[in-house]
Amino acid sequence: GAGVSQSPSNKVTEKGKDVELRCDPISGHTALYWYRQSLGQGLEFLIYFQGNSAPDKSGLPSDRFSAERTGGSVSTLTIQRTQQEDSAVYLCASGREGEGYTFGSGTRLTVV
Amino acid sequence: AQSVTQLGSHVSVSEGALVLLRCNYSSSVPPYLFWYVQYPNQGLQLLLKYTSAATLVKGINGFEAEFKKSETSFHLTKPSAHMSDAAEYFCAVRSTSGSARQLTFGSGTQLTVLP
Repeated sequence: GAGVSQSPSNKVTEKGKDVELRCDPISGHTALYWYRQSLGQGLEFLIYFQGNSAPDKSGLPSDRFSAERTGGSVSTLTIQRTQQEDSAVYLCASGREGEGYTFGSGTRLTVV
Repeated sequence: AQSVTQLGSHVSVSEGALVLLRCNYSSSVPPYLFWYVQYPNQGLQLLLKYTSAATLVKGINGFEAEFKKSETSFHLTKPSAHMSDAAEYFCAVRSTSGSARQLTFGSGTQLTVLP
């Protein structure tokens, strides 16, 4: 596709359940980022993938959060045992070194 | 470590007036710098980027920014504000070396355009 695609666009889940958020980056983009944006807040870095290098996981807030990127393309962010404080918009971005990064429209996660 | 400071969480300008959104960065090496805009309930859209070429960067929608190394600044400007410019604007920095290649964002500036 022409842009970064994220699914689902909205997700409501019960506290304690696991959720998976998907990101389809632009074809050929070697870099992929996940960010979290809470209501009225800025962007919180979660994880960064670059090609075949080991991901930078330094932004993951707890061990309930994990992410993988299969075949250098699609990425999945998994949140286990969701908590209410996990409610936020999760944004994915992809790009190439030295270029701008294109963001998806995000997944709005609501934990009830 | 790299960081970004955006001065002014809220800026209001009159339609037709100059827009100036301030961004200062901290980076141990010459960085890449970006401005993004976010309209309500939408993702982030790239306005412009600095990647060590020309220091004056022109972007979309009439915006431009100037990289000033001596001031560690990358302020965003537009000569004449339109109502459609009302949105939140984020400045971001990315290191060009080392292991930390994450994009670090400022806390954002909400721009209001008054009729």
